[in-house]
Amino acid sequence: DAKTTQPNSMESNEEEPVHLPCNHSTISGTDYIHWYRQLPSQGPEYVIHGLTSNVNNRMASLAIAEDRKSSTLILHRATLRDAAVYYCILRESNAGGTSYGKLTFGQGTILTVHP
Amino acid sequence: NAGVTQTPKFQVLKTGQSMTLQCAQDMNHEYMSWYRQDPGMGLRLIHYSVGAGITDQGEVPNGYNVSRSTTEDFPLRLLSAAPSQTSVYFCASSYGVTSSYEQYFGPGTRLTVT
Repeated sequence: DAKTTQPNSMESNEEEPVHLPCNHSTISGTDYIHWYRQLPSQGPEYVIHGLTSNVNNRMASLAIAEDRKSSTLILHRATLRDAAVYYCILRESNAGGTSYGKLTFGQGTILTVHP
Repeated sequence: NAGVTQTPKFQVLKTGQSMTLQCAQDMNHEYMSWYRQDPGMGLRLIHYSVGAGITDQGEVPNGYNVSRSTTEDFPLRLLSAAPSQTSVYFCASSYGVTSSYEQYFGPGTRLTVT
């Protein structure tokens, strides 16, 4: 999967919006942008994904830059339960062999939410 | 839906012992996979399956076997446990394997090999 760059950590206060940035300057035209998060001692959890247009779901919004070289995950009102490591992942549409279906998790952004 | 379930939650093995980590999903997903997560490292793909009767190797398959006799179940077998296999193991599934599909993860099995 193509490389992504995220800040190591971010902090937020409860009930405030959080904008988590991700740079992916080497993205190809068919790569999907996926976001997962991992709460302490739990498995990764799908958050949202998109290709070109901004996306909204019940958990978050995904804003994708026009040139697709960056994206931002938006949590509209952070709660204590949102404290987790957030991973921005590019899914290659033509990955095969030992990479078939693989999600490549980098270091992610550790989000701390203060009461 | 229970989603993706894994058993056991915790396991301690002695070097050389064998065991099977269980994974099941009730979402009728075709694609299932196994990852391991070591401290300070990202998840690494061990094996995957694109449907019943079809399995293939991921990045780090040595020391592990898998089979997929049903759509629901995808067990991971450790043939002869080694301390290097101490890790947290996650099973995942998705409706399809292309990059447009999201994957669902189980809660993990924490394995210690002494």
